[in-house]
Amino acid sequence: AQRVTQPEKLLSVFKGAPVELKCNYSYSGSPELFWYVQYSRQRLQLLLRHISRESIKGFTADLNKGETSFHLKKPFAQEEDSAMYYCALKHTGNQFYFGTGTSLTVIP
Amino acid sequence: EAQVTQNPRYLITVTGKKLTVTCSQNMNHEYMSWYRQDPGLGLRQIYYSMNVEVTDKGDVPEGYKVSRKEKRNFPLILESPSPNQTSLYFCASSATLGLGEQYFGPGTRLTVT
Repeated sequence: AQRVTQPEKLLSVFKGAPVELKCNYSYSGSPELFWYVQYSRQRLQLLLRHISRESIKGFTADLNKGETSFHLKKPFAQEEDSAMYYCALKHTGNQFYFGTGTSLTVIP
Repeated sequence: EAQVTQNPRYLITVTGKKLTVTCSQNMNHEYMSWYRQDPGLGLRQIYYSMNVEVTDKGDVPEGYKVSRKEKRNFPLILESPSPNQTSLYFCASSATLGLGEQYFGPGTRLTVT
């Protein structure tokens, strides 16, 4: 069963414009959600997790249990934000479900 | 330097020839995982381990085996590789109390002809 959905495979925005990468999930119970990012020629790395309610590199993500969403947002996109973004759900133990990813391109 | 290493980084093999991809971490992490990444399918977890001698199936375990005899190592074994196992494979590790943050290896690109 699909547990994490990222509806956009590709997303392009202009530098300075707001950006929102969508993530929806299906899970019974309290979800643990993450955003991972893979920059060109770098390893996949954690960007942020919902439990920390943090802002990393200007990105934030709010868990909306009513809409079962965990969208990633940034008010002003920068060229260095161009990367592949994955939303991930942690199940029991060490079981993870990743979305199919969204490739973000920030146009100068 | 804290890291996850994988070997080999690239491998081309033929159908049915057993192979092993090694994964090692130097962070004393309890949790380790293997993923495969395919276009349009994202990352899918193959197997995971919560500690030495404790392994469990992920989403797509068919055709793969793992072992966790030591805390630092988590090899992925393909006993009889098939072309549909051509993929990019990632190993990852995380600490029990690490709030779910996984550290990923550089990836192994496997081609099975």
